[in-house]
Amino acid sequence: EAGVAQSPRYKIIEKRQSVAFWCNPISGHATLYWYQQILGQGPKLLIQFQNNGVVDDSQLPKDRFSAERLKGVDSTLKIQPAKLEDSAVYLCASSLATGRPRYNEQFFGPGTRLTVL
Amino acid sequence: GENVGLHLPTLSVQEGDNSIINCAYSNSASDYFIWYKQESGKGPQFIIDIRSNMDKRQGQRVTVLLNKTVKHLSLQIAATQPGDSAVYFCAENRSGANNLFFGTGTRLTVIP
Repeated sequence: EAGVAQSPRYKIIEKRQSVAFWCNPISGHATLYWYQQILGQGPKLLIQFQNNGVVDDSQLPKDRFSAERLKGVDSTLKIQPAKLEDSAVYLCASSLATGRPRYNEQFFGPGTRLTVL
Repeated sequence: GENVGLHLPTLSVQEGDNSIINCAYSNSASDYFIWYKQESGKGPQFIIDIRSNMDKRQGQRVTVLLNKTVKHLSLQIAATQPGDSAVYFCAENRSGANNLFFGTGTRLTVIP
């Protein structure tokens, strides 16, 4: 079974530029998550989708971050404009359904490492 | 606020020894916990989980202990191998919620 795919793996941009990350979840997984992992910290949830609808985006800085999952499969996370503090690894995860983690294991992709100069 | 933290940011052990990684949590509403392993350049990988109605759960070479009285979680790795070198995170899930809250992580280094 193929895992969660993410691209690009690395991205370096200057502050105030825009950047986009792409994620393709495990086939058949209805729920998709985007996490931000700052160096030395654990992942923090940014947004959760069920199919093409947003379940939780309470931690997403909406003034600069946006995400979509138009067809309910792959997803794009965008930052515009980027700030220095956005330097982090952006992880995508997927699970079969939405609900408590004990019933819906999350599978993580390798992440995109973003460096903002 | 929520706090899922680890007592030790780094841990070095000799190959073949047992490793113990600790985690403290502060929210008494948390009733489900997961330990993840994250190798360099990879996403977190599920190792073992435990529900709050249990004190101990064993897997292959790993054991998780839960002490709800002091809100403490530990991961024990038996006969640690070089392949166990990674950052380990505990994550908590609160009753009625769907989200996971991750701790800071502990870097385990296995010395051959």
